[in-house]
Amino acid sequence: QVQLVQSGAEVKKPGASVKVSCKASGYIFTQWFMHWVRQAPGQGLEWMGIIDPGGSFTSYPQKFQGRVTMTGDTSTGTVYMEVRSLRSEDTAVYYCVRAGPADFDFWGQGTLVTVSS
Amino acid sequence: DVVMTQSPLSLPVTLGQPASISCRSSQSLVHSDGNTYLIWSQQRPGQSPRRLIYKVSDRDSGVPDRFSGSGSGTDFTLKISRVEAEDVGVYYCMQATHWPRTFGRGTRLEI
Repeated sequence: QVQLVQSGAEVKKPGASVKVSCKASGYIFTQWFMHWVRQAPGQGLEWMGIIDPGGSFTSYPQKFQGRVTMTGDTSTGTVYMEVRSLRSEDTAVYYCVRAGPADFDFWGQGTLVTVSS
Repeated sequence: DVVMTQSPLSLPVTLGQPASISCRSSQSLVHSDGNTYLIWSQQRPGQSPRRLIYKVSDRDSGVPDRFSGSGSGTDFTLKISRVEAEDVGVYYCMQATHWPRTFGRGTRLEI
């Protein structure tokens, strides 16, 4: 069965960087792209971008260009998302989501990133 | 960007009664391949979202048949024929036709 297992919660200071991992299993890793989506406390969902885990393609909305980098490691079946220059507004739960058939078909368990001085 | 507008944002319901959520997009969600990539997802309290419906009306495996999706173009509806206690949570519509991907604000279903 498809599983997306994310890394644990992080606490960071403003200005720092965070790198969240998402290990995929139960399917061919390179077959499907992967999204990252975040959810601020008590808020809705925000799309942060997409990566082709087996290649070099990434796409980010303008809001995150230059501050977010997504990468993939085919040897371990893991995708990563790094967010730099963290600010308090980046406090959120971050999800990896498989872009499977018809999109957004499987979600990771989420990683809480807290930005606080 | 495509704006997804859900209504209502809060939906009090009675167990065993039907419920309906509306989602409207600011642009047609018909893809050049002829499909309409409108998704409904459920987020139970303390859990990750889970996809229920894709391509407007196709139910995911394991989703009870009391959930149904309908609509076309820019107007879509999620219906629950008889609400059960386990249906409590927030329901999101999402569009996967255009870039960037966008989401509705969510509808909180409460008993």
